[in-house]
Amino acid sequence: QVQLVQSGPEVKKPGSSVKVSCKASGGTFSTSTFSWVRQAPGQGLEWLGGIVPFFGTPKYAQNFQGRVTITTDESTSTVFMEVTALTSQDTAVYYCAREASGSYIEHYFDYWGQGTLVTVSS
Amino acid sequence: DIQMTQSPSSLSASVGDRVTITCRASQFIGTWLAWYQQKPGKAPNLLIYKASNLQSGVPSRFSGSGSGTEFTLTISSLQPDDSSTYYCQEYNSSPYSFGQGTKLEI
Repeated sequence: QVQLVQSGPEVKKPGSSVKVSCKASGGTFSTSTFSWVRQAPGQGLEWLGGIVPFFGTPKYAQNFQGRVTITTDESTSTVFMEVTALTSQDTAVYYCAREASGSYIEHYFDYWGQGTLVTVSS
Repeated sequence: DIQMTQSPSSLSASVGDRVTITCRASQFIGTWLAWYQQKPGKAPNLLIYKASNLQSGVPSRFSGSGSGTEFTLTISSLQPDDSSTYYCQEYNSSPYSFGQGTKLEI
């Protein structure tokens, strides 16, 4: 059984950065695809980017290119997402999620972390 | 980017009712579509993938259909636990957009 456990809530000042972690257990970490999806309060879901630890090259949504960085640590089966230059618009719950199919062409998600609330406020 | 539009935005139904939620894509996506259920304060839960395939462990009262640009999620006989928000997601091309959600009240 795959489990994704994320780091705790964060409160950040505008202009600062935040780094959220997602520790995976079960499944095959290196060859799985992990994505980050966020949800602003009362809003819908938005894909930020994803990575396959074995290949190491992340893919980002155009809107977040240059401001979001996704990395992995295979020694601890952990995926990280850093967002820089935070504004109040970045206040959201950030989820890590694993792609279900393992095919690298079907990008839907079967396992999700519990979510990490990032609040950006002065 | 592909835009996903769900309708209705909200609906109210009774236990035992059959309900249908529609999702339209702004361009052709074949059958690269998934449906999720989300309860307040929880992560989304995968229901359907590739437009009509039921995820393991999901009750058979959930079904999906469609291809191209128009898709539906049907719940054949509503149960109290189905009270949730439902999202469609295209995965034809990055950034794998989600619909705005449909809030279902029982």
